[in-house]
Amino acid sequence: GAVVSQHPSRVICKSGTSVKIECRSLDFQATTMFWYRQFPKKSLMLMATSNEGSKATYEQGVEKDKFLINHASLTLSTLTVTSAHPEDSSFYICSASLGRGSFSYNEQFFGPGTRLTVL
Amino acid sequence: GESVGLHLPTLSVQEGDNSIINCAYSNSASDYFIWYKQESGKGPQFIIDIRSNMDKRQGQRVTVLLNKTVKHLSLQIAATQPGDSAVYFCAENIRGGGNKLTFGTGTQLKVEL
Repeated sequence: GAVVSQHPSRVICKSGTSVKIECRSLDFQATTMFWYRQFPKKSLMLMATSNEGSKATYEQGVEKDKFLINHASLTLSTLTVTSAHPEDSSFYICSASLGRGSFSYNEQFFGPGTRLTVL
Repeated sequence: GESVGLHLPTLSVQEGDNSIINCAYSNSASDYFIWYKQESGKGPQFIIDIRSNMDKRQGQRVTVLLNKTVKHLSLQIAATQPGDSAVYFCAENIRGGGNKLTFGTGTQLKVEL
């Protein structure tokens, strides 16, 4: 159980185009989803926290107009990289959890990641 | 700022030896710690976790030790196998910080035959 999928696994796009990445919780309802980006040989950096039915909370330094996050249902969150540029090339990873961790930590289940390459 | 960090970026061990991967954290409000394994091109895979009210936890071939006095966390892998080759991250959750995780910088574990 607790499987999270991402689609696509790899995407190559031209500079200036927009790319949408989907994150799905396959066998549970995810109250909260997280989006991370990871550069080669670097750690995971949290971009934003997405709670179902509300606006995403972005980490400092992450452009909310650049990285649009939608969490319209309990099983799906999408990340849209708008007007992509080569510096947006990265590995994007989502995770999903059952709760918001208001009282104690609720486990995050990670997706397999999406490799974005912007030419 | 406060951060989670690792002492060694790369660790090479012989197959069959024990591996120890270290992690330092600086936030005294950290309440929960997790070790993840990440293979190339994949998402993080949960290995083992520990809460701040414990100092040791064991799993299958893995042990996590927590020293709150010096804010140090370690992952011990017994009888390291080639399949253990990956990058290992520690991550922390801060009490009252919701479900957010802060990841350390990672250690590349290389198992030599």
